[in-house]
Amino acid sequence: TQLLEQSPQFLSIQEGENLTVYCNSSSVFSSLQWYRQEPGEGPVLLVTVVTGGEVKKLKRLTFQFGDARKDSSLHITAAQPGDTGLYLCAGAENSGGYQKVTFGIGTKLQVIP
Amino acid sequence: GAGVSQSPSNKVTEKGKDVELRCDPISGHTALYWYRQSLGQGLEFLIYFQGNSAPDKSGLPSDRFSAERTGGSVSTLTIQRTQQEDSAVYLCASSLVRQGPDSPLHFGNGTRLTVT
Repeated sequence: TQLLEQSPQFLSIQEGENLTVYCNSSSVFSSLQWYRQEPGEGPVLLVTVVTGGEVKKLKRLTFQFGDARKDSSLHITAAQPGDTGLYLCAGAENSGGYQKVTFGIGTKLQVIP
Repeated sequence: GAGVSQSPSNKVTEKGKDVELRCDPISGHTALYWYRQSLGQGLEFLIYFQGNSAPDKSGLPSDRFSAERTGGSVSTLTIQRTQQEDSAVYLCASSLVRQGPDSPLHFGNGTRLTVT
């Protein structure tokens, strides 16, 4: 099983600040997914990146897949209190005919009004 | 409903008792996954179902854990002789069977299990 490391694990910032969350692995994934989880709920997919070097934007969120497809970053511009939550990266690999998805430990973000 | 449904949402049980956790996946999703989420541990893969068969059960932590799926739909995760270290949130997810980036996981809200 491939491992994903996320950093930082905890982040508390003021509203309006920018932040970046990192997701790193020593192995290559076929794609990398970012999820956001709120308390008492399951993770919800934000975006999937597939191609090395790919950049995707979702409003104030920018996702990048590393050229070697081993790492990814999530950048949030002008964070809002509604961005508070647990951000999880997940690497997908094709294993034995199905998509095996391995999750990082997550980054718990708190945006203070 | 249109989403993944899990029941119960909360379960408190005494050490040594058996528990059953249920998952109703999204209709038409043939792939079903169970994960466990413990504080500070992230999501830990338990088992994967394709239809009614489980080609990957490598994440089940011990023989006290078992799971089944019937009719290619509902799945039940059973934990026998529960231990305090089994306390966690158990998450179920479903997806379309095809491989590739357009098959994200759709999660339920989980079952929070507390073993006292």
